[in-house]
Amino acid sequence: GAGVSQSPSNKVTEKGKDVELRCDPISGHTALYWYRQSLGQGLEFLIYFQGNSAPDKSGLPSDRFSAERTGGSVSTLTIQRTQQEDSAVYLCASSYSRGDNEQFFGPGTRLTVL
Amino acid sequence: QKEVEQNSGPLSVPEGAIASLNCTYSDRGSQSFFWYRQYSGKSPELIMFIYSNGDKEDGRFTAQLNKASQYVSLLIRDSQPSDSATYLCVVLGGGADGLTFGKGTHLIIQP
Repeated sequence: GAGVSQSPSNKVTEKGKDVELRCDPISGHTALYWYRQSLGQGLEFLIYFQGNSAPDKSGLPSDRFSAERTGGSVSTLTIQRTQQEDSAVYLCASSYSRGDNEQFFGPGTRLTVL
Repeated sequence: QKEVEQNSGPLSVPEGAIASLNCTYSDRGSQSFFWYRQYSGKSPELIMFIYSNGDKEDGRFTAQLNKASQYVSLLIRDSQPSDSATYLCVVLGGGADGLTFGKGTHLIIQP
């Protein structure tokens, strides 16, 4: 596709359920980033992939959060046993390489945990 | 912990004036600096990046970097109502870290 895509665009779930968020980066982009943006807050870095490996997992807020990337393309962010404080917009971005100038952002997934 | 500080605003500027957005960062080893614009409910989009000390101009936008003072700014000349958005200052560290985003400055251009 022409840009970064994410699915679903909206997800409403009950506290304690697991959710999976998907990111499809721009073809050929080796670097992929996940961010979280809570209401009225700045962007919070979660995790970064270079190819299929994640050299930096420092931003994951707890062990309920995990992410994987297969085939150097699609990435999935999984949140287990969701909590209300997990409610946020989860943004994915990709760039040609980590040192590249620009990250291209997807439209985000709005997660609401009831 | 690496930090990027911005005044949250709102910063109100009359149409046609110069809007000045400021940002300071804590990691002296930072190498790359970006300004992203985010309209309400939308994803961020890159406006400018700067690597070297001094000024970099692109149309109505000028980015300024002073590494000694750990300060980066964005000037918007001839401000337009369409410039009203949140502007995010973003810093790329020298290690394996991802980007560090400031919380953003909410800019309002008054017609």
